[in-house]
Amino acid sequence: SQKIEQNSEALNIQEGKTATLTCNYTNYSPAYLQWYRQDPGRGPVFLLLIRENEKEKRKERLKVTFDTTLKQSLFHITASQPADSATYLCALDESGGGADGLTFGKGTHLIIQP
Amino acid sequence: EAGVAQSPRYKIIEKRQSVAFWCNPISGHATLYWYQQILGQGPKLLIQFQNNGVVDDSQLPKDRFSAERLKGVDSTLKIQPAKLEDSAVYLCASSPRGDSSEQYFGPGTRLTVT
Repeated sequence: SQKIEQNSEALNIQEGKTATLTCNYTNYSPAYLQWYRQDPGRGPVFLLLIRENEKEKRKERLKVTFDTTLKQSLFHITASQPADSATYLCALDESGGGADGLTFGKGTHLIIQP
Repeated sequence: EAGVAQSPRYKIIEKRQSVAFWCNPISGHATLYWYQQILGQGPKLLIQFQNNGVVDDSQLPKDRFSAERLKGVDSTLKIQPAKLEDSAVYLCASSPRGDSSEQYFGPGTRLTVT
């Protein structure tokens, strides 16, 4: 069966350290993989998109890697800050380019401790 | 630019009643999505529109859910009759045409069915 797995437990990280979140999937072949941030009571906010032929993408303190052989994406936040505390969602786009909706994981709740 | 607007923000109804949600996407965005997010889960796609045509409604429970997008702009999602398990946040998202599948989400409507 198809599955998207993200860190099931909340992730507690000390301020200033690098937070690493994991997204593993089975029985999908995504053309794109996306990461979103969701704060309580709000809709998800797009952060980064990485294509199947890309290994790594960076944006300011964020970095995403995509390994289609391992069927895994890692999402890194460097120099983490308490304001980075939120739920982070991994989303797969199998067709690419918006032809289909996204399939989301359950999300990882990240807590940055001051 | 203005974001995706949704109303109402909160709704409480009794089971077997009907309810409707409204969404106004970002101006010029051709694609509109409705997602259901149950507490502790990631968003699940219900229906996708391209302009005013349905692209994918395979996960929409059609015996009780319906949606329309008149004139390719605003959209409404209706539930009739509601069940207890429909308690969730209903998120609307939009995406521009082209080689970009990133989606812009509204704040959502929190539905409680008692």
